[in-house]
Amino acid sequence: DQQVKQNSPSLSVQEGRISILNCDYTNSMFDYFLWYKKYPAEGPTFLISISSIKDKNEDGRFTVFLNKSAKHLSLHIVPSQPGDSAVYFCAANSGTYKYIFGTGTRLKVLA
Amino acid sequence: GAGVSQSPSNKVTEKGKDVELRCDPISGHTALYWYRQSLGQGLEFLIYFQGNSAPDKSGLPSDRFSAERTGGSVSTLTIQRTQQEDSAVYLCASSLLSNQPQHFGDGTRLSIL
Repeated sequence: DQQVKQNSPSLSVQEGRISILNCDYTNSMFDYFLWYKKYPAEGPTFLISISSIKDKNEDGRFTVFLNKSAKHLSLHIVPSQPGDSAVYFCAANSGTYKYIFGTGTRLKVLA
Repeated sequence: GAGVSQSPSNKVTEKGKDVELRCDPISGHTALYWYRQSLGQGLEFLIYFQGNSAPDKSGLPSDRFSAERTGGSVSTLTIQRTQQEDSAVYLCASSLLSNQPQHFGDGTRLSIL
């Protein structure tokens, strides 16, 4: 039973345009969500997070939106740059030590 | 170094051999995690350490897998009698506290022939 789902395995976007990566979850107890970026042969690096008391969090070109009623979050990257090409994982936490990760979406930003 | 360090970065071994994977977390981080990422899959939780104790070993796939952490620092993941399905990237992560974002190492890519 996959509690965190990233239904798009891959996404291609033109440089300068917006990239939107989506994540759905099933457990209503999740209250903290994170996005990680992973380059090949490297470990994931933390990108941005959002608590369930918010519906939006912004950090530079990266914005995460949370829709609790739909159990859906999304990561927007504007403008997209070739260096953003990576695999993006969303993760969810219910206030404990345990994080549940999605399967990742591979983003390719075309120059 | 400042980050999480894992060794070896690559390991190729024959089926049936034992392997030991090492993780050096960020100094002062009390929480330490092991994950496994198989080809095309997400991050599969294996085990969580708080200090030297492991309150959650529920993700270890079988009794061939074990892990320990000593001195609240270095952790070792041991796989005995390796099987081909153990081939994966094994990632270690640490965090200052357990409910904070994790810092990952670059992983050990394990290949079982």
